[in-house]
Amino acid sequence: DIVMTQTPLFLSVTPGQSASMSCESSQSLVDTEGRTYLNWFLQKSGHSPQLLIQDVSRRFAGVPDRFSGRGSGTAFTLNISRVEAEDLGVYYCMQTTHVPFTFGPGTQVDIK
Amino acid sequence: EVQLVESGGGLVQPGGSLRLSCVASGFTFNNHWMNWVRRAPGKGLEWVAHISQDGNKKAYVDSVKGRFTISRDNDKNSLYLQMDSVRPEDTAVFYCAKYLGRGIDVWGQGTTVTVSS
Repeated sequence: DIVMTQTPLFLSVTPGQSASMSCESSQSLVDTEGRTYLNWFLQKSGHSPQLLIQDVSRRFAGVPDRFSGRGSGTAFTLNISRVEAEDLGVYYCMQTTHVPFTFGPGTQVDIK
Repeated sequence: EVQLVESGGGLVQPGGSLRLSCVASGFTFNNHWMNWVRRAPGKGLEWVAHISQDGNKKAYVDSVKGRFTISRDNDKNSLYLQMDSVRPEDTAVFYCAKYLGRGIDVWGQGTTVTVSS
């Protein structure tokens, strides 16, 4: 199974500043057709997860352009520019290239 | 409005069985692969299983293989998870979730399963 690791596990951010978190996979997430399926979700306390980014860098409908994803192969990054108070919660990366699909442990973001 | 509503969670004894249901609305259910994802207390998200549009293709995480069965009824816009031989480590909030491509764009509110004697 693909193991996903995320760093850091905890991140404290001042509103208006930027934040960055990393996600690494134990094997390449490129499939046999050259596509990479890496997703980012945010789960706010007491709520269901919400999709932010799919296919490494494609923002889901309605997600502010403050959120951006990049990466390739086994190393991926989620950046949040101009963090807002509503951005607090746990951010998960998830690979959907190889079955069984797997999530990272999450990065908990709190707002200073 | 696109919506997924789970039900069927509750308290079950180790070794027992439970059947989770999820009713979909607001989209063409039989056009989409569907998932179950869970989150155990104090832990992160774990993908559990998925099923193809016609129900013929299924896959599971190793920890539930042979114990859980995912199924669907497209006439009823419903997804199911039959949980047999449950263990305390199956205690979690279970989410029904819809694929968009290879992303998961719609999640239910979750149903809580507690395995305890």
